Amino acid sequence: GQNIDQPTEMTATEGAIVQINCTYQTSGFNGLFWYQQHAGEAPTFLSYNVLDGLEEKGRFSSFLSRSKGYSYLLLKELQMKDSASYLCAVIDSNYQLIWGAGTKLIIKP
Amino acid sequence: ETGVTQTPRHLVMGMTNKKSLKCEQHLGHNAMYWYKQSAKKPLELMFVYNFKEQTENNSVPSRFSPECPNSSHLFLHLHTLQPEDSALYLCASRQTAPTPYNEQFFGPGTRLTVL
Repeated sequence: GQNIDQPTEMTATEGAIVQINCTYQTSGFNGLFWYQQHAGEAPTFLSYNVLDGLEEKGRFSSFLSRSKGYSYLLLKELQMKDSASYLCAVIDSNYQLIWGAGTKLIIKP
Repeated sequence: ETGVTQTPRHLVMGMTNKKSLKCEQHLGHNAMYWYKQSAKKPLELMFVYNFKEQTENNSVPSRFSPECPNSSHLFLHLHTLQPEDSALYLCASRQTAPTPYNEQFFGPGTRLTVL
């Protein structure tokens, strides 16, 4: 079966750095997305990785290792507004999106 | 604002009621999706429409009935629901051509409670 694993919840301190991991086992791979979802709101697109390596976008970076079936989202200089759920999703060989359950990130002052 | 709107935002209904959820996208995308989001579970894909044609139906019970009159509008008709159907229902749209790798844009969701 297809599976995406993420930690259920993480806590970090304002101003710090946090890394949210995602491991996947899917039938084929055509890219990986990270989305942010604030409580009661729509998920919004953060990043897309299809090649190995690190993609940096301001305070957020996303890393992919296809051989390990592994990705992480790195958030730097954490702000209170970064408190949200972070969803990992993989495009499989049929171009369908397979979703993880999301990681709830709690930022403390 | 993501360019995808959903109404109503909240809905409470009894098991014998009939109601409809509406989604509209203003992005010119060709594909639209219905998802169910339950607490601490992955997003569950329910239906996919591509150029108004249903291309995916993930074993969804018949008490959920989708309708896509055009590429900009998507409905989910609900009847005789069960309490376990209570969840957040998300609509999304995407441009699937010329590349299938484009991200999905989500609406804010309808929080459904079935009593």
